[in-house]
Amino acid sequence: DIVMTQSPLSLPVTPGEPASISCRSSQSLLQSNGYNYLDWYLQKPGQSPQLLIYLGSNRASGVPDRFSGIGSGTDFTLNISRVEAEDVGLYYCMQTLQTPHSFGQGTKLEIK
Amino acid sequence: QVQLQESGPGLVKPSQTLSLTCTVSGGSISSGSYFWSWIRQPAGKGLEWIGRISTSGTTNYNPSLKSRLTISIDSSKNQFSLNLTSVTAADTAVYYCARVRSGGYDYWGQGALVTVSS
Repeated sequence: DIVMTQSPLSLPVTPGEPASISCRSSQSLLQSNGYNYLDWYLQKPGQSPQLLIYLGSNRASGVPDRFSGIGSGTDFTLNISRVEAEDVGLYYCMQTLQTPHSFGQGTKLEIK
Repeated sequence: QVQLQESGPGLVKPSQTLSLTCTVSGGSISSGSYFWSWIRQPAGKGLEWIGRISTSGTTNYNPSLKSRLTISIDSSKNQFSLNLTSVTAADTAVYYCARVRSGGYDYWGQGALVTVSS
């Protein structure tokens, strides 16, 4: 099974400042078709997870352009260019290259 | 707009079977190249992938649950279901259903809390 490791697990950020979350996989998520099977989700307090980024770097519909995903192979990063109060919650990376699909432990973003 | 809604008992006794149904609205469960999945989250903990089913009924299960797990699909009712046998307190969690496309889990239900207790 593929193990996903996120860091940091806690991320206090001042509004307007940038933020980054790292995600590493125990094996490459790059398939021969050129796609990295890595997604990012945000779970706001009391809500279901929502898709932010799919296939490594593609923003989901309706996701603000301050969110971006980069990386390939085993190392990925979610960047938020300017954090807003509505961005608080738990951020998860998830691999969908092979079953069982698996999530990182989650990174809790909070506002300073 | 596609919507998913979990339903089922909120309380299950130890050793019994946990059964949940996910009803899909706003689109046909059998159209498109989608999988339909179950994910769970114990209180205060992270997300755990349970398994998925294709529109043709092909399943993939988490090996940690495989011996107790059945996921099925009923296209006539636009529903898919989860059965987990021989439950223990460790199965207490919020259970989510979700639609899976080639790029991400794009629609999620609101979640159903299931407590395993006598």
